[in-house]
Amino acid sequence: QKEVEQDPGPLSVPEGAIVSLNCTYSNSAFQYFMWYRQYSRKGPELLMYTYSSGNKEDGRFTAQVDKSSKYISLFIRDSQPSDSATYLCAMSAKGGNNAGNMLTFGGGTRLMVKP
Amino acid sequence: GAVVSQHPSWVICKSGTSVKIECRSLDFQATTMFWYRQFPKQSLMLMATSNEGSKATYEQGVEKDKFLINHASLTLSTLTVTSAHPEDSSFYICSAMTSGNSYEQYFGPGTRLTVT
Repeated sequence: QKEVEQDPGPLSVPEGAIVSLNCTYSNSAFQYFMWYRQYSRKGPELLMYTYSSGNKEDGRFTAQVDKSSKYISLFIRDSQPSDSATYLCAMSAKGGNNAGNMLTFGGGTRLMVKP
Repeated sequence: GAVVSQHPSWVICKSGTSVKIECRSLDFQATTMFWYRQFPKQSLMLMATSNEGSKATYEQGVEKDKFLINHASLTLSTLTVTSAHPEDSSFYICSAMTSGNSYEQYFGPGTRLTVT
């Protein structure tokens, strides 16, 4: 079993839809949870970051973390064709700049928003 | 925001040759850099972690003699794929962390390596 599981998709939605992306994990030591967006043949870019449990909102994006269920979500409201990309969840057990702060990535979900 | 560049963005080489990929932090100092490998439609796999001035720490299954990593300065890390073979063809991505208490890794745009 992988440490972080993510539905690979592809997930196809019409423009304007609400998108829900999810990851589950098994390592209870994870405390830092991130969502990255990756366009084709590009490096990932950080979208959202959450520490421990709770919600965080940034514009059309909302990240949720439920540590008791080991489940995290990213919601995208009013989805746009430009949101079409692969979304990767990532987790870390440590914060701070040291060699132990490695990220464990989910497999990524490919999202397609159709005009 | 912090910018990380990679060079080259795309390289084709013949089997048996070596290829060097550079990762630079353009507007910040990175004491730690990470190298990842990504196959098509798959997630990022961490290959190694490098700290400036010290030897890289390789993940299990990654051949350190094949993937040479040098982190000689606070703004530059290099990955050299030695004696490349077609199975080394992949998308290689680096990331860098700023000094201080930061959770964020800034990713480079990636380098696509094709070995013929």
